Amino acid sequence: SQQGEEDPQALSIQEGENATMNCSYKTSINNLQWYRQNSGRGLVHLILIRSNEREKHSGRLRVTLDTSKKSSSLLITASRAADTASYFCATRSFGNEKLTFGTGTRLTIIP
Amino acid sequence: DTGVSQNPRHKITKRGQNVTFRCDPISEHNRLYWYRQTLGQGPEFLTYFQNEAQLEKSRLLSDRFSAERPKGSFSTLEIQRTEQGDSAMYLCASSDLRKSSYNEQFFGPGTRLTVL
Repeated sequence: SQQGEEDPQALSIQEGENATMNCSYKTSINNLQWYRQNSGRGLVHLILIRSNEREKHSGRLRVTLDTSKKSSSLLITASRAADTASYFCATRSFGNEKLTFGTGTRLTIIP
Repeated sequence: DTGVSQNPRHKITKRGQNVTFRCDPISEHNRLYWYRQTLGQGPEFLTYFQNEAQLEKSRLLSDRFSAERPKGSFSTLEIQRTEQGDSAMYLCASSDLRKSSYNEQFFGPGTRLTVL
């Protein structure tokens, strides 16, 4: 079963704009990760944020985590055509090694 | 480091046939995971191995499914008596428990199964 949901399900923006996608989850977590999936390719790990962290940056990516609301957001700044992909959040609970993925956001960057 | 590889990339089979998929993880990664992804959904966990030991199986893994990792390197996932509902992308991932980045799972390109 899916742990949570991503919002929006689909997002189209102009190249150069910022893209924000949100993830909600249901149970307590050890960490939350974001993955990208391009058409025809496997999932690629983007960034991980631990349950005791509130914000993390990596290049053009910024992730926030609000454990009280059981939600996270991923911000991609200065979007590029190559950012076109599906983005998934995935959570790992304490004492559990599996990742539980959300339903994904389909991001399209318009050149 | 050649990444996680999966074979075959595509498999078309008739209902009732058995199929077997193979996953080769990143060399010396001690954890190996199988997930299933259907169209428009995120991956769903099936099972994982630490070395050759299968440590967890999802309830999604019915008795028609079996996974092995006999020597703690490559793994196989077999589906017996396939059903149309088994049509999906089967993803394999690996990670290294000994590294600080062990939470990061490296995914293969997947095997797309179509059951006619």
